[in-house]
Amino acid sequence: GAGVSQSPRYKVAKRGQDVALRCDPISGHVSLFWYQQALGQGPEFLTYFQNEAQLDKSGLPSDRFFAERPEGSVSTLKIQRTQQEDSAVYLCASSATGIAYEQYFGPGTRLTVT
Amino acid sequence: GDSVTQMEGPVTLSEEAFLTINCTYTATGYPSLFWYVQYPGEGLQLLLKATKADDKGSNKGFEATYRKETTSFHLEKGSVQVSDSAVYFCALNKQGAQKLVFGQGTRLTINP
Repeated sequence: GAGVSQSPRYKVAKRGQDVALRCDPISGHVSLFWYQQALGQGPEFLTYFQNEAQLDKSGLPSDRFFAERPEGSVSTLKIQRTQQEDSAVYLCASSATGIAYEQYFGPGTRLTVT
Repeated sequence: GDSVTQMEGPVTLSEEAFLTINCTYTATGYPSLFWYVQYPGEGLQLLLKATKADDKGSNKGFEATYRKETTSFHLEKGSVQVSDSAVYFCALNKQGAQKLVFGQGTRLTINP
């Protein structure tokens, strides 16, 4: 595809449910990033992959958050036992070079936990 | 820790007005600085960047100068257009790190 795609674009979950958010990076991009953007705030870093290796997960807010990229392409961010404070837009970005400013962002998945 | 602070929005201007959106940062070392823009319904896009002190980034009529002495990277445009209406994010990246650190964003609305 032409850019980073994310699915679903919108997700409503009841508190306590598990959710899985998908990111399809630009083909050939080795680096992949997840960010969380709360309403009215800037994106906050969650985690970073280089190929299939998760090199930095320092931003994951709790052990309920888990990300994977098993084949070095598509990535999934999973949130277990969702809570209201998890409501946010989850952004995925990919990069061919690993240079920070050369990240291309997807449109995001808006998660609402009720 | 590293952080970015932007002027609070929303900012509303008339077409052809002069724009300044203030951005200051806190970081050790020599970070690179960026402005990203998010148009309605679209993903974040890099607007401009500066990778060292006194560099000026520019794109689409927007400019920002990396001022180490004031730890600032203010965004300016001499004459805004309705199509500039968007949310603008200032961000930094520390040398050797992969992640971007964003400010809270400033919503800009330009009225015809």
